[in-house]
Amino acid sequence: DIQMTQSPSSLSASVGDRVTITCRASQGIGNCFAWYQQKSGKVPKVLIYAASTLQSGVPSRFSGSGSGTDFTLTISSLQPEDVATYYCQKCDSAPLTFGGGTKVEIK
Amino acid sequence: QVQLVESGGGVVQPGRSLRLSCAASGFTLSTYGMYWVRQAPGKGLEWLTSISYDGSYIYYADSVKGRFTISRENSKNTLYLQMNSLRTEDTAVYYCAKCRVTYDVDDAFDIWGQGTMVTVSS
Repeated sequence: DIQMTQSPSSLSASVGDRVTITCRASQGIGNCFAWYQQKSGKVPKVLIYAASTLQSGVPSRFSGSGSGTDFTLTISSLQPEDVATYYCQKCDSAPLTFGGGTKVEIK
Repeated sequence: QVQLVESGGGVVQPGRSLRLSCAASGFTLSTYGMYWVRQAPGKGLEWLTSISYDGSYIYYADSVKGRFTISRENSKNTLYLQMNSLRTEDTAVYYCAKCRVTYDVDDAFDIWGQGTMVTVSS
């Protein structure tokens, strides 16, 4: 099975900073790749699908890129409400593996 | 309003069984692939199983294969997860989720239920 390695596992940044989270697949995967945000005690929410398409209602400071084995989630200007854990996911074929998560905090 | 509501969680002894339900509303369940995902306390998300819109394609994670069974009753707008031979490591919040697109099972999960807690303990 393809493994998803997400990094870093946690980060602390200042409001307004540009934040980048990466996810690497152990083998090349198709274009079906998603990013989710989970705030503490809440249900996960999809931010990005098809690697780079912003889900309706998600702020434009979030963006996704990548293909093959390397994918990136970028928050262009970190806001206090972005404090959360972020997960990547391959969704091209089962198993639909999630990355280990990145906890984002405000410095 | 598109909504998923899980039920059926609780405390169960190791080796016993439990069935979770996920009631769908606000959309036509029969046209969407569905999923179960779990999250152990303080841990990340783990995909468990997928079922296609008509139930003809089903996939499981190795961690639950042979013990858990996903099924759906489209006429009742309900998804199920039958969990047998439960282990302490199955303790988690269990979420059902909906596929973003119709007639597919390989895509992002756009709607999630609120989750139901399953605790496996003697």
